[in-house]
Formats: sequence, structure tokens, C-alpha cells
Amino acid sequence: AQSVAQPEDQVNVAEGNPLTVKCTYSVSGNPYLFWYVQYPNRGLQFLLKYITGDNLVKGSYGFEAEFNKSQTSFHLKKPSALVSDSALYFCAVDSNDYKLSFGAGTTVTVRA
Amino acid sequence: NAGVTQTPKFQVLKTGQSMTLQCAQDMNHEYMSWYRQDPGMGLRLIHYSVGAGITDQGEVPNGYNVSRSTTEDFPLRLLSAAPSQTSVYFCASRAGGSEQYFGPGTRLTVT
Repeated sequence: AQSVAQPEDQVNVAEGNPLTVKCTYSVSGNPYLFWYVQYPNRGLQFLLKYITGDNLVKGSYGFEAEFNKSQTSFHLKKPSALVSDSALYFCAVDSNDYKLSFGAGTTVTVRA
Repeated sequence: NAGVTQTPKFQVLKTGQSMTLQCAQDMNHEYMSWYRQDPGMGLRLIHYSVGAGITDQGEVPNGYNVSRSTTEDFPLRLLSAAPSQTSVYFCASRAGGSEQYFGPGTRLTVT
């Protein structure tokens, strides 16, 4: 069975400060890892993914994530947060059996 | 290219009623899925399909049926609605190894 944990329900940062949203996973085999963002009353939007290759993945809107196999983590990062980054963020894992498992989500609030 | 479309956007049902949530994609994706989103629980997989004529159960399949007669369409049927099925439902599609594309969601309330 595969699973994802997002240990923080909420992350609060000041605009301009670095933003980190944590994610750890459990999967048999090689993981496919994803980050999605959801703005209020909207569907999910894809941010970035790790399939193979370089452990540092760059995605949309200035976000990046680092795959760490030994720690089974895939933390999402942004060097300088914007107020417009305030949203609900989901980490997801897939072991290539086409069933994507999501974490519970982390609400990010960036204050001006 | 409309992506993934879902209808209706909002629906209110009485306990025991049945209905079908529609989902269609125009990207020729093989894989389609239905999720429900509840506060604090993330997205949970209800049913999924790896191609026309092939469906399988996800994490929370009870009370729901699906079928996949074409590549484009993947309707979700609620057989006898219950208040526990009050949720936001998302349909998604993907090509193998790629990210999922999500529809805008259907907000369902069962009274």
C-alpha cells in the first residue's frame, strides 16, 4: 500500500520569506511524486512532478521540490513567498499502478 | 481543447435519491479517476479506469458505480444517496506516467 503524509495542517509565512511545505511518502517500488495546489472553490492545479533524474525539480510559479530517497521526502519550496501563494497544497504519490494517493493537504497563508 | 469537464457544478439530493455525475475529457487519456474531497482528509479515490471497458475500485467505492464505455466519458453513479456522500467530487484524467488533469468539481449536498 502507498501513502502520503503532510505533517503540517497549516503553514504561515510573511511575504518575501522562504516557504516550505513538507511531504513524506511510503510506496513499494520507485515513486512518482506530485504537488498540486488548490485555490478556494477551484479544482486542483498541477505544480510539479518527480519521475526520475535530478532530485531537484522545478515547477510552476517559482516552486521547486527536492526528492530525498533516504528520507522518503518530497518537500515543496519557494525562496520568496507571495500573498497570492496562499492556497491549499497537496502532495501525491503513485507507484505506477495508476492509483494516485494524496496527503491530507497543507493550508498555506502568506501575510503581507 | 476543453480538458476535463464535469456536470453539474452543484447538486442537492434527498436521502435515497439516485443521480449521475458526468465527466468527459478530450485529451484521449487512457486513465480516468473519481475522487471525493472532504475537509482534513485530502482526496480519496472512489473508482478508476485504465481504459474503455475497464474499471476498478479505489479507496472508498461503496455506494458508487462507474462505467467506461468510451475513452472520453466516465460517469459516476450514486445509487441511493446518503448524507455521508455530501462532498466535493473531482474527476481526473491522465496519460501514463504524466500528471493528472482535474475537472472543476461537483459540490453535492445530500439532505
